[in-house]
Amino acid sequence: DQQVKQNSPSLSVQEGRISILNCDYTNSMFDYFLWYKKYPAEGPTFLISISSIKDKNEDGRFTVFLNKSAKHLSLHIVPSQPGDSAVYFCAASAMGGNKLVFGAGTILRVKS
Amino acid sequence: GAGVSQSPSNKVTEKGKDVELRCDPISGHTALYWYRQSLGQGLEFLIYFQGNSAPDKSGLPSDRFSAERTGGSVSTLTIQRTQQEDSAVYLCASSLARYSYEQYFGPGTRLTVT
Repeated sequence: DQQVKQNSPSLSVQEGRISILNCDYTNSMFDYFLWYKKYPAEGPTFLISISSIKDKNEDGRFTVFLNKSAKHLSLHIVPSQPGDSAVYFCAASAMGGNKLVFGAGTILRVKS
Repeated sequence: GAGVSQSPSNKVTEKGKDVELRCDPISGHTALYWYRQSLGQGLEFLIYFQGNSAPDKSGLPSDRFSAERTGGSVSTLTIQRTQQEDSAVYLCASSLARYSYEQYFGPGTRLTVT
């Protein structure tokens, strides 16, 4: 039972345009959501997060949107840069929990 | 500063052998986590340590898997009698506090069971 789903295995975007990565979840107990970025042969690195009490969090070129009623979140990267090419994982955690539940990841390719 | 380190980076072993994977967390991080990523899958939680104790072992797939942490620092994940389905990248992460959601990951150990 996948509690966190990233339905797009890959996404290709032109440099300078917006990248939108999507994530859906099923567990209504999740109250904190994170995006991680992973380059080949490296561990995932934390990118941005959002608490369930907010619907938007912005950090430079990265913005995460949360729609609790739809159990959906998205990561917007604008403008996209070739260095953003990586695998992006959506993750969620329940209140007081320690473990993160991850989606399967989306491969983003930014073409120059 | 030093990040999370893991060793070995790659391990090839024969089916039925035991393996030990090591994780050195960031200094001062009290929480430590093990995950694994099988081919084409997301990261799967295995076990969580707070200090030297493991309050959540719910992700360990079978009794062939065990882990320990000593001195509130280094952790070892042991897989006994390895099977081909154990082949995966095993990732360790640490975080500063008990309920810190932002976990810092090591580069992983790629385990291949032949």
